[in-house]
Amino acid sequence: DAKTTQPPSMDCAEGRAANLPCNHSTISGNEYVYWYRQIHSQGPQYIIHGLKNNETNEMASLIITEDRKSSTLILPHATLRDTAVYYCIVRVYSGNTGKLIFGQGTTLQVKP
Amino acid sequence: NAGVTQTPKFQVLKTGQSMTLQCAQDMNHEYMSWYRQDPGMGLRLIHYSVGAGITDQGEVPNGYNVSRSTTEDFPLRLLSAAPSQTSVYFCASRPGATNTGELFFGEGSRLTVL
Repeated sequence: DAKTTQPPSMDCAEGRAANLPCNHSTISGNEYVYWYRQIHSQGPQYIIHGLKNNETNEMASLIITEDRKSSTLILPHATLRDTAVYYCIVRVYSGNTGKLIFGQGTTLQVKP
Repeated sequence: NAGVTQTPKFQVLKTGQSMTLQCAQDMNHEYMSWYRQDPGMGLRLIHYSVGAGITDQGEVPNGYNVSRSTTEDFPLRLLSAAPSQTSVYFCASRPGATNTGELFFGEGSRLTVL
């Protein structure tokens, strides 16, 4: 599976949009981009995933560049409860045993 | 709906002791997995299973055994605990191995080996 690169930490003001970048320059055509987050020491929580097109759900938006070598997770109106470690992961969909390999993630600190 | 349930939540062992971390899911998921997370680090995959009777190794399998006799349960065994196995352990499941949806995580089991 392709490797991802994320900044170790970011700050965001409460109420503003948080834009978390992820580089996955070695991504293959059949690999999906996933985002999870982990609040305090809880179990990770799924946020969103996509293949080629931009995706949006009730939690966030995922913007994937046309060449698919990078993506950005957008939290449109960050709140203090969004302070967490955010993980960007790429994963093969078919012909794969389902492994999801986590990196070190980005620690997002939302400030009042 | 309980989701993914891990027991125990906390455990202290002495070096050389054995124990089993339990994981159960009530969502009829085919895929189950175990991760460990050390302080300040991301999650590392230990073992995973794509269905009853099928298991395979992840990134850091040494020192751990697993089995999958039922769809619901995926226990993780430490045969001879070592201080290096002090960590937080997370169990996770997904409907199918090739399913593109989310991975559901338990709340974690915090293990200390003295």
